[in-house]
Amino acid sequence: GEDVEQSLFLSVREGDSSVINCTYTDSSSTYLYWYKQEPGAGLQLLTYIFSNMDMKQDQRLTVLLNKKDKHLSLRIADTQTGDSAIYFCAVFYGGATNKLIFGTGTLLAVQP
Amino acid sequence: KAGVTQTPRYLIKTRGQQVTLSCSPISGHRSVSWYQQTPGQGLQFLFEYFSETQRNKGNFPGRFSGRQFSNSRSEMNVSTLELGDSALYLCASSAVNTEAFFGQGTRLTVV
Repeated sequence: GEDVEQSLFLSVREGDSSVINCTYTDSSSTYLYWYKQEPGAGLQLLTYIFSNMDMKQDQRLTVLLNKKDKHLSLRIADTQTGDSAIYFCAVFYGGATNKLIFGTGTLLAVQP
Repeated sequence: KAGVTQTPRYLIKTRGQQVTLSCSPISGHRSVSWYQQTPGQGLQFLFEYFSETQRNKGNFPGRFSGRQFSNSRSEMNVSTLELGDSALYLCASSAVNTEAFFGQGTRLTVV
């Protein structure tokens, strides 16, 4: 079955790097996404990676994908207080499934 | 390019009532998916529509239904509301097999 897991909470100091981890069970995914949700808001797409890639960098964001271990991570460089939010990883299964499965979300708290 | 629009943003209903939520996808996107977000269960997939057809359905009771119109706008309906249906309902639109863009959600409170 499709299952996506994340740690619940991460606390960092402003200026440090944050690394949010995600593991998934079904390796037939095509795309893997990171979304950010601020209080009372919907989900904002931050970045995504194709399943045939190992790494993607987008300004302060670096996504690493280890397909063998079914492990996805999001690194935020120079974390700011405005980065405080819940971060969701999501795994997309195409074809007949055509479903986006979300992780449990990681609350990132940035201390000034 | 306008984003995904969900209406209304907030709703308060009483138990036993029914409710209809609306989602207008990004222009050109034909796939619309609905998700329920609660503190206890997280983000759960409800269903997905493509070209007016339901392609996929999550594990929700039959009280949850939806439809999609020819202009790709979608509605979801919940009948006989229960307290546990209180949640943030999110709609996402996507082109074929690409990233999903979410609306701001409809916050439903059942009292």
